[in-house]
Amino acid sequence: DQQVKQNSPSLSVQEGRISILNCDYTNSMFDYFLWYKKYPAEGPTFLISISSIKDKNEDGRFTVFLNKSAKHLSLHIVPSQPGDSAVYFCAASALDYGQNFVFGPGTRLSVLP
Amino acid sequence: DTGVSQDPRHKITKRGQNVTFRCDPISEHNRLYWYRQTLGQGPEFLTYFQNEAQLEKSRLLSDRFSAERPKGSFSTLEIQRTEQGDSAMYLCASSPWTSGGRVGQYFGPGTRLTVL
Repeated sequence: DQQVKQNSPSLSVQEGRISILNCDYTNSMFDYFLWYKKYPAEGPTFLISISSIKDKNEDGRFTVFLNKSAKHLSLHIVPSQPGDSAVYFCAASALDYGQNFVFGPGTRLSVLP
Repeated sequence: DTGVSQDPRHKITKRGQNVTFRCDPISEHNRLYWYRQTLGQGPEFLTYFQNEAQLEKSRLLSDRFSAERPKGSFSTLEIQRTEQGDSAMYLCASSPWTSGGRVGQYFGPGTRLTVL
């Protein structure tokens, strides 16, 4: 039973356009969410996070939106660049879970020049 | 390079053998995590240390798995009597302690284990 879902295994976007990666969760106890990017042969790299007390967090080209009522979050990348091509993981945690972060299965983003 | 390092990067072993992996976290980070990742899945949390104390180990996959961080610096993950189902990427991550509690983690490149 996956508590964190990323229903799109892959996504292709033209360079310069917006990339939108989606993530859904089932556990209403989750209150902290993170996005990671992973290149081949490397470990995941932390991108951006959001606490459940916010509905938006922005860092440069990356913005994460959280819709608690829908148990949904999304990562927007604007503008998309070829170097953004990677696998993106959504992760969630709950205060009661301590440091146990639950990851989704990932979405492979391809930014086409 | 001051990132998280893991050794070895690849390990091939025969079923029934014991294997040990090492992780060196970023030096000022006092939290250290172990994850397992299988094909097509995200990292799966295994265990976590704050300094030398193992604060969460209920997610270790079986009693064949054990982890140590004896001096609060590097950590080892041991798998005894390996099985073919143990074949996976084993990731280590570290993070600093903050008063806010939870922050993003810095991952190493992983150790890929293949059990024949």
